[in-house]
Amino acid sequence: DTEVTQTPKHLVMGMTNKKSLKCEQHMGHRAMYWYKQKAKKPPELMFVYSYEKLSINESVPSRFSPECPNSSLLNLHLHALQPEDSALYLCASSQDLEVSYNEQFFGPGTRLTVL
Amino acid sequence: GENVEQHPSTLSVQEGDSAVIKCTYSDSASNYFPWYKQELGKGPQLIIDIRSNVGEKKDQRIAVTLNKTAKHFSLHITETQPEDSAVYFCAASISGGGADGLTFGKGTHLIIQP
Repeated sequence: DTEVTQTPKHLVMGMTNKKSLKCEQHMGHRAMYWYKQKAKKPPELMFVYSYEKLSINESVPSRFSPECPNSSLLNLHLHALQPEDSALYLCASSQDLEVSYNEQFFGPGTRLTVL
Repeated sequence: GENVEQHPSTLSVQEGDSAVIKCTYSDSASNYFPWYKQELGKGPQLIIDIRSNVGEKKDQRIAVTLNKTAKHFSLHITETQPEDSAVYFCAASISGGGADGLTFGKGTHLIIQP
């Protein structure tokens, strides 16, 4: 199984709402990532988790709060977002940051619209 | 930090012809260079990658070449088919694709004309 799944596929939320994005993989990978992709742009790294611990936070605003409850799951909690946060949010996973090379496998993404 | 430039932004080729997409990177410490294909409404799909200790890698109709001295790498697709139409992203990493994530180029929209 080389699949990364993400739910929901689409999400519309108001600026005062609280919502969560979910990501799951069953490949035994120990590194997981969140990327943000605006329309017609490349993905941009937000967070890196390694063995359920936050490894990198690319200066992401605190209205985005990641969580890794176990090695298979990665959540992104959203609160007080702005319309400019509307984008495709992609989750990825790779084997282990301790190995020399990490092939990253992406999920299909969650299309987020903030009204 | 790493900067990746990708050209062209749009490439239109006749079905059956070859397509070449080129990328340059700025950080000489980069050691891993994957290519992703992204179809409309989907996440990026890894199609091929190359490591810094290899100059060329081929997988059926797809090949990637790496010139470390010039700091550029290219994707070659031969005998293009309609299903090759998509946006292609190159990427680079100084940590083998791991700890620092991936830095992507801006993408190439490949259009295969029937």
